[in-house]
Amino acid sequence: EDQVTQSPEALRLQEGESSSLNCSYTVSGLRGLFWYRQDPGKGPEFLFTLYSAGEEKEKERLKATLTKKESFLHITAPKPEDSATYLCAVQAASYDKVIFGPGTSLSVIP
Amino acid sequence: NAGVTQTPKFQVLKTGQSMTLQCAQDMNHNSMYWYRQDPGMGLRLIYYSASEGTTDKGEVPNGYNVSRLNKREFSLRLESAAPSQTSVYFCATAPRTSSGNTIYFGEGSWLTVV
Repeated sequence: EDQVTQSPEALRLQEGESSSLNCSYTVSGLRGLFWYRQDPGKGPEFLFTLYSAGEEKEKERLKATLTKKESFLHITAPKPEDSATYLCAVQAASYDKVIFGPGTSLSVIP
Repeated sequence: NAGVTQTPKFQVLKTGQSMTLQCAQDMNHNSMYWYRQDPGMGLRLIYYSASEGTTDKGEVPNGYNVSRLNKREFSLRLESAAPSQTSVYFCATAPRTSSGNTIYFGEGSWLTVV
């Protein structure tokens, strides 16, 4: 069964304290792995798509990496405005549905 | 440039009532999705439509029906609402490509069943 898990469930950082979020997946042939940011009361906002192991993408203080079994979202010198829930999702090669993990709730304290 | 529009944004239903959540997109995407989001459960796929004229069940389809009216519109119907269907519902769309469907979400519909 295709599955996505994320850790930690919640993370509290001081402003400027770098860290990483983990997304582990089990899927029969990966077509794409996606990272989203979700603010309270809003729909998820797209951040990155990764397609193959070894791929990396960056946007401001965020960097996403991909291996054959997991992805990391690295946050460098975070600011309070980076506080949000970060969601990971995968799409298998054999179908169109996209499956999400439960998310990591990030709080960045000034 | 609306993107993905969901209506209504908020709704309160009594147990047993029926209602339809509407979703429309102006992004010319082929694929459309309905998810529900509950605390601690993440986003769970209810139904999806890979293209106009097709629909498929997701992880939690029981109690729901969908209609892909045309390329732009994908509606979700609750025939007999139950308290367990209290949730936030998100419609989403994606361009259907061989290299992966990057999904774009609407703002959500908050549904309470009492």
